[in-house]
Amino acid sequence: DAGVIQSPRHEVTEMGQEVTLRCKPISGHNSLFWYRQTMMRGLELLIYFNNNVPIDDSGMPEDRFSAKMPNASFSTLKIQPSEPRDSAVYFCASSSGTGVSPLHFGNGTRLTVT
Amino acid sequence: DQQVKQNSPSLSVQEGRISILNCDYTNSMFDYFLWYKKYPAEGPTFLISISSIKDKNEDGRFTVFLNKSAKHLSLHIVPSQPGDSAVYFCAASARGSGNQFYFGTGTSLTVIP
Repeated sequence: DAGVIQSPRHEVTEMGQEVTLRCKPISGHNSLFWYRQTMMRGLELLIYFNNNVPIDDSGMPEDRFSAKMPNASFSTLKIQPSEPRDSAVYFCASSSGTGVSPLHFGNGTRLTVT
Repeated sequence: DQQVKQNSPSLSVQEGRISILNCDYTNSMFDYFLWYKKYPAEGPTFLISISSIKDKNEDGRFTVFLNKSAKHLSLHIVPSQPGDSAVYFCAASARGSGNQFYFGTGTSLTVIP
């Protein structure tokens, strides 16, 4: 089991540029979550998918943020255009089963927007 | 508004002593709680959980206590070891929420050798 895989590990970009973060969930997991970690708010849920379908995107801060899950093994989180306040660590997590079960996190992408 | 709160940003404990990390929540619908441990440059890893039908769950050196009336849970680590130094997050979920977890802001634990 390779775990949840995120890429890139680090991303530095200039304000106004498009940023795409990628995630490969654990095989067989049917739920996928995108979180953002900041000092002030801790881990914030941005959006989650169940069986590739977005269920709740109320945590997405602005229209500049979008997420897709074209198949069970891949998801992207896109920020366009990026702003300095988007700088944070973005985590992807996946889980299995129909009931409540722990989330398995990737190692995150540290985004810096200058 | 934060539905899960960890009011202590940091905690230092001597090796061998007990570490107690606290967490409060506001949503009475929460019925499943977890603790995660996070090392620098890594993702959070699941540590221990508790369901609202219990008030205590133990796994080795780690014990989680749940006080539903106070909407409070705590993680006890005994004895504390230097390798326990990490950031600890508590998280809560409500039945029927689709495994949607709300996390606290974390407590950074330092165990001093």
